[in-house]
Amino acid sequence: GQNIDQPTEMTATEGAIVQINCTYQTSGFNGLFWYQQHAGEAPTFLSYNVLDGLEEKGRFSSFLSRSKGYSYLLLKELQMKDSASYLCAVRVGQGGKLIFGQGTELSVKP
Amino acid sequence: DAGITQSPRHKVTETGTPVTLRCHQTENHRYMYWYRQDPGHGLRLIHYSYGVKDTDKGEVSDGYSVSRSKTEDFLLTLESATSSQTSVYFCAIGLNSPLHFGNGTRLTVT
Repeated sequence: GQNIDQPTEMTATEGAIVQINCTYQTSGFNGLFWYQQHAGEAPTFLSYNVLDGLEEKGRFSSFLSRSKGYSYLLLKELQMKDSASYLCAVRVGQGGKLIFGQGTELSVKP
Repeated sequence: DAGITQSPRHKVTETGTPVTLRCHQTENHRYMYWYRQDPGHGLRLIHYSYGVKDTDKGEVSDGYSVSRSKTEDFLLTLESATSSQTSVYFCAIGLNSPLHFGNGTRLTVT
């Protein structure tokens, strides 16, 4: 079966750092993706990991450990506009299909 | 903007009626996908296409059919809509690059 777990909700303070965890158990692995989705909008791509380690892109970083089936998304210097849902997704097999977790709703408070 | 247009953006229909949602892309991608998004479930794959007239089922395909007669258009049909098909439907394109999503269709079945 395919299972991707992430916390349902998180709250953080403006200017702080927050880490959103994702664990996965999938039949096949061909990369892990993080998407951001604001309410009523389409998901937009944030980051991609296929090898173990950290990928940094501005205020956002994503980490992958394939042996542990674990990833996290790190958001630094939080801004109010970072309030959104963050989706973890695993690409399985060929064809580009993504399996998604249920998403983590992040609320950034002043 | 990845050049994906979904229509209609909103639709209300009655139980038992047929409904067709359209996804149009200008990127000439071979692969196209239909997902539905529901609270507590995240994004779930309904059907996908890997070329004209080539389609396959996703994890929640029951009650849905698709057609791809041209590279740019991928249609999702609910033959006889049910209340459980009330959802937000997203089309996506991509293969080895991150999937890019359309703006979604909000469907309500009364």
